[in-house]
Amino acid sequence: QQQVKQSPQSLIVQKGGISIINCAYENTAFDYFPWYQQFPGKGPALLIAIRPDVSEKKEGRFTISFNKSAKQFSLHIMDSQPGDSATYFCAASKSNTGNQFYFGTGTSLTVIP
Amino acid sequence: SAVISQKPSRDICQRGTSLTIQCQVDSQVTMMFWYRQQPGQSLTLIATANQGSEATYESGFVIDKFPISRPNLTFSTLTVSNMSPEDSSIYLCSVYPGQLNTEAFFGQGTRLTVV
Repeated sequence: QQQVKQSPQSLIVQKGGISIINCAYENTAFDYFPWYQQFPGKGPALLIAIRPDVSEKKEGRFTISFNKSAKQFSLHIMDSQPGDSATYFCAASKSNTGNQFYFGTGTSLTVIP
Repeated sequence: SAVISQKPSRDICQRGTSLTIQCQVDSQVTMMFWYRQQPGQSLTLIATANQGSEATYESGFVIDKFPISRPNLTFSTLTVSNMSPEDSSIYLCSVYPGQLNTEAFFGQGTRLTVV
């Protein structure tokens, strides 16, 4: 059973546009929601993360929006750049399980110059 | 932060053989994790490796197929045994060097192809 559902599977955006990736979860015990960025041949690297006590977190061009009642969270990439082309994974974890992360299925983002 | 060195970065192996993947961390960590990432797929947790105890395996993964060692707080190995083409995947180790729910760091992965 997929604990975290992610969409879309792939996304093509023009340079300067906004990229939006969505995730949904079922387990209300999750209390940490990171986004990871993965380039080909590399391991995933943390991009930005949020906890359920806030509805939004912004770091530079990257923003997480969190809707606790809907059990959804999304990543917004403003002014998307070709260098943002990568695979993005959302994830969720709960404190009392030793940091086991449940990952979404990934979104392959391509930013066209 | 944590810097993870994972070896080998890639390998092509014959069916029926075994491959041991090494994960070295530049700092002491309590818990290390091994993930599998099949082509175009998400990351699936194989097992959690704690120093001084046996690894804890997730559903669908067994010790005979994926034996894990954790001899100290900076090192772990994952062996993929009796390989078949279905084991072709990227294997990643991950650590949490801080308190609970802080950043997880990943190695660059080992791309395994079984022929």
